[in-house]
Amino acid sequence: EAGVTQFPSHSVIEKGQTVTLRCDPISGHDNLYWYRRVMGKEIKFLLHFVKESKQDESGMPNNRFLAERTGGTYSTLKVQPAELEDSGVYFCASSQVTGELFFGEGSRLTVL
Amino acid sequence: AQSVTQPDIHITVSEGASLELRCNYSYGATPYLFWYVQSPGQGLQLLLKYFSGDTLVQGIKGFEAEFKRSQSSFNLRKPSVHWSDAAEYFCAVGATSGTYKYIFGTGTRLKVLA
Repeated sequence: EAGVTQFPSHSVIEKGQTVTLRCDPISGHDNLYWYRRVMGKEIKFLLHFVKESKQDESGMPNNRFLAERTGGTYSTLKVQPAELEDSGVYFCASSQVTGELFFGEGSRLTVL
Repeated sequence: AQSVTQPDIHITVSEGASLELRCNYSYGATPYLFWYVQSPGQGLQLLLKYFSGDTLVQGIKGFEAEFKRSQSSFNLRKPSVHWSDAAEYFCAVGATSGTYKYIFGTGTRLKVLA
């Protein structure tokens, strides 16, 4: 069974540009989460989807971040326009019902 | 406020030595508890988890952790460290209802000396 997959693994963009990160959850997992780790700090929750609905987006830093989950399958996280402080590793995770989250390998974003 | 504290940012041990990584949490009730490891260039891998029951939990790669409710701790241990254990380790607490989102500690980076 395939795990959580994320694309791209690494993206380098200029400040002001747009980047879109994609996450494919484990098949059948209704819950999908985005987390972010800024260098040297803790991994922080961004938001949670249940199927296509945003259940909790309390961790989204500002309106430059837009997350979608079309048809309750894969999800995208767009940053527009990107700022220097957006650099970090963005993790996606999915879960079936309760408790355990399965994480992807992360997408590293570098904003220059 | 809910939080997870990993007081050791860096730890260095010699190969073959024992290891204990500390984790303390602040949470309104008994949460789900997890330890994850991130090796260089890799994603987050689950080492072990505690949901309920026996407070001593066995995980993969020879790791174990003990939940101590009175101390709000969930320390990770390994009796004999291998060079391949060099990585960053994250403790996390998970909500037991609602969104089940996690709160992570800042991580402990482990260096293993040959």
